[in-house]
Formats: sequence, structure tokens, C-alpha cells
Amino acid sequence: DQQVKQNSPSLSVQEGRISILNCDYTNSMFDYFLWYKKYPAEGPTFLISISSIKDKNEDGRFTVFLNKSAKHLSLHIVPSQPGDSAVYFCAASVIFSGGGADGLTFGKGTHLIIQP
Amino acid sequence: DTEVTQTPKHLVMGMTNKKSLKCEQHMGHRAMYWYKQKAKKPPELMFVYSYEKLSINESVPSRFSPECPNSSLLNLHLHALQPEDSALYLCASSQDELGNQPQHFGDGTRLSIL
Repeated sequence: DQQVKQNSPSLSVQEGRISILNCDYTNSMFDYFLWYKKYPAEGPTFLISISSIKDKNEDGRFTVFLNKSAKHLSLHIVPSQPGDSAVYFCAASVIFSGGGADGLTFGKGTHLIIQP
Repeated sequence: DTEVTQTPKHLVMGMTNKKSLKCEQHMGHRAMYWYKQKAKKPPELMFVYSYEKLSINESVPSRFSPECPNSSLLNLHLHALQPEDSALYLCASSQDELGNQPQHFGDGTRLSIL
């Protein structure tokens, strides 16, 4: 049973336009959400995160939106650049009340292709 | 450039061999993780170490044995692996004081079992 779902295996966007990647989750215990970017033969690179007390977090061209009632988050990239072409993973975890680390649960990823 | 270093990058071993995967970070992170990623699948958590103690084991078979010798190093000892264990093994680290800190990944070790 997938707890984090990315229903679009691939997405093609023109250079300069907005890329919107979507992610849904089913586990209501999740309270920390992240987006990672992955190139072939490299490990996932952290992009941006958001905790459940917020509904938006912005870092440069990247903005993550969280809708807790819908259990949905999205990553917006504006403007899209050729170097953004990669696989994007949505991930989620639980924040333990006493601090401490939890593993990440990943979605299956969306392959973003930026066309010139 | 990744701040989490994994060695070796590639490893081919037979089912009777014993080998180890190594992971090193110098960011002062106190939590370290092992993930397994099969082709066209997302990474799946195997183990979590917090302050050098094993805190999470996701029901991983005993042929995988993790070890955290100190706060900068994480090893994964392999013995009597099966062909289905062939995968990319990713190490990650994060600050442990607060749970809302991102994990930073190495580039992985691609393991092939003959």
C-alpha cells in the first residue's frame, strides 16, 4: 500500500514555463514533506521541504504548497530551465515528539523533461 | 558534490562472499540511514542510526548487518546475499536534534550479486 503517491510518471514542460509536480499521501501521521531531485548515477539531492504547520515554502525558483485537508502537496518550478530535467521524488516523514530521526517514505517519482 | 561519501561506487560479489559498504559524512549529523533502491522504484528505508545507536530496522534480513563505529561513519556488512539483493544502496544523514531536518544522500553503491 503506497503511502506517498506521484501519479504522473513523466511531465514535459517548455523552457521558461511553470512546472507543477504533484504528490498525494495517505498517512495522516506524516508532518514533514520534502522534494528531491535525482539525476542518473547520482543520489537524490534535497530541494525544498515543508512542515505541516505551514502551507507554503519558497526558495528561489522552487515553491512547495501543502494542502493538509486534501493530503496533497505540489512543487512549482518557475521559470523552468533545461537543467531542471531530472526525476523528482516527493518524500514524507513523521516528526517524533521527543526529537529524533525517522526514515523517509518516497513516492515513485516524476520524470520532468524541459523542452527548449 | 555530495557531502555524504559512499564507497565503493560499484560492487560485484558472489552469493558466498562477505563485503562491506561504507558511508562517511563530516557535517556533524547525528542520524544516518541506509536505503535500498531497485530499478525504477523509489528508495526504501532499511536502517536508521541515531546517535550511533540502531533506532529503526525495517525488518531487513540478517544477511545485511549495519554498523556505526562513530558519528561520522556508517557501514553495511553483507554476507550470503541473494541475486534479488542487487540494487543501489543509498546512505543518508541528517541532524537528529529536530525531526524537521532534511536528509542528505550520497551517490550510492551499485551492488550486483552473481
